[in-house]
Amino acid sequence: NAGVTQTPKFQVLKTGQSMTLQCAQDMNHEYMSWYRQDPGMGLRLIHYSVGAGITDQGEVPNGYNVSRSTTEDFPLRLLSAAPSQTSVYFCASSRRAGGGNQPQHFGDGTRLSIL
Amino acid sequence: DQQVKQNSPSLSVQEGRISILNCDYTNSMFDYFLWYKKYPAEGPTFLISISSIKDKNEDGRFTVFLNKSAKHLSLHIVPSQPGDSAVYFCAASPAHGSGNTGKLIFGQGTTLQVKP
Repeated sequence: NAGVTQTPKFQVLKTGQSMTLQCAQDMNHEYMSWYRQDPGMGLRLIHYSVGAGITDQGEVPNGYNVSRSTTEDFPLRLLSAAPSQTSVYFCASSRRAGGGNQPQHFGDGTRLSIL
Repeated sequence: DQQVKQNSPSLSVQEGRISILNCDYTNSMFDYFLWYKKYPAEGPTFLISISSIKDKNEDGRFTVFLNKSAKHLSLHIVPSQPGDSAVYFCAASPAHGSGNTGKLIFGQGTTLQVKP
């Protein structure tokens, strides 16, 4: 059981480039989300989805787009990369959007550097 | 504003002793609190949670205590083992149906080192 799979694990971009971070889960989870982790700031929610075709903004959505065309996949798009988007990105999923009684499963992260 | 705070960036304890990790929050509308553990180059993994209607939850060596009046929770690890060395994140979940369904708000994390 692969759980939550993120690709790539590492990426270096130049300012202004665009790219897509991939996230896939094989647990048939309804809820998926993207976080970024920065030093001294914990994890911050970027976007989330409560099911296929439904997405919404989190705490820090600017500069990112998401879509949820299938239950399994939840890609995160950087439209025009900026150095402030240098971070480690984590994708997570849970069976339902239920908070503490539906703990989220995290992927191993994508480390992104913007030059 | 930081709604969930872990004021100790690091903690070092001896193997076999108790580790106590602390977390404070400001929003009384949180209904679940969770602890995640993170090793380097891996994603966070769920450790233990507690509902806001309880004051204690125990799972093996791990116990979480909630003090709602003080808006404070703590994670106790007894006995601590070298394999417990990791970053621990406290997280809070807003009440279901409040428009924040499923969202988790994380603290900054505390790095625990357990020395053999």
